[in-house]
Amino acid sequence: DGGITQSPKYLFRKEGQNVTLSCEQNLNHDAMYWYRQDPGQGLRLIYYSQIVNDFQKGDIAEGYSVSREKKESFPLTVTSAQKNPTAFYLCASCDRGRTGELFFGEGSRLTVL
Amino acid sequence: EDKVVQSPLSLVVHEGDTVTLNCSYEVTNFRSLLWYKQEKKAPTFLFMLTSSGIEKKSGRLSSILDKKELSSILNITATQTGDSAIYLCAVGGNYGGSQGNLIFGKGTKLSVKP
Repeated sequence: DGGITQSPKYLFRKEGQNVTLSCEQNLNHDAMYWYRQDPGQGLRLIYYSQIVNDFQKGDIAEGYSVSREKKESFPLTVTSAQKNPTAFYLCASCDRGRTGELFFGEGSRLTVL
Repeated sequence: EDKVVQSPLSLVVHEGDTVTLNCSYEVTNFRSLLWYKQEKKAPTFLFMLTSSGIEKKSGRLSSILDKKELSSILNITATQTGDSAIYLCAVGGNYGGSQGNLIFGKGTKLSVKP
C-alpha cells in the first residue's frame, strides 16, 4: 500500500537534545513538506522540498533542519535552538500534477521534558 | 499578510443536523482552496476548489467557492457521529515560485452528539 510513514509516533526529549523525526513515502511524489500543529492552531509550514537535494524554509524554520538526499525520505531534525519544540509534527507529500492535494503521515508527537 | 480564517472555531450539533463551516481568505495569487478532515492524526483530503460557483459533492459533504467574496463553505447534511473531527481549510497561492505550499486556517472542531 502506498503512503507516508512517520516515526516515531511519540518521542520524549530532554532540553538541549537534538531529535530527528523520520518521514518516508512510497507514493513517488516529488514534493514533501513538514508542518507543525499546536492545539487550537492551524498547520504551520516548517520546511518543504520540491525536488531531491533541494529544500526551502517555510514560515517557522528557525530551530529546525532538514535534508532530502532521496526522493522517498525527508527527515526533520528539531535542534536545541528551537525554543518551544513540544508539538505535533506532520509530514506530507504532493504529486506535482495535483498541486495542493497533500497526503499526510500519521504524525509524530514530540514532548520536551 | 496572507491569511485564512475559519469560523466557527468549534461547533456542537446533534446527529441529523446540517452544518455549514466557513472559510475566508486573503492570499496573494490565489490558486486553489482545499478542505481536509482531521479525525485523530493525519488530515485527509476532502475537496479542492479552483473555480467560483461550482459545487463539489461527496456523499453528504459538499463545498463551494466564492472568489468574489474570497470565501468557501463546507456543508455536511444529516450529520453522524463519525463526522466529528477538525475540518481544516487551506489555500494555495504562488509563494516564491513554489506552487504546492498551502496556508492553513485554525480549523473548525465539529462534535456530533448522538
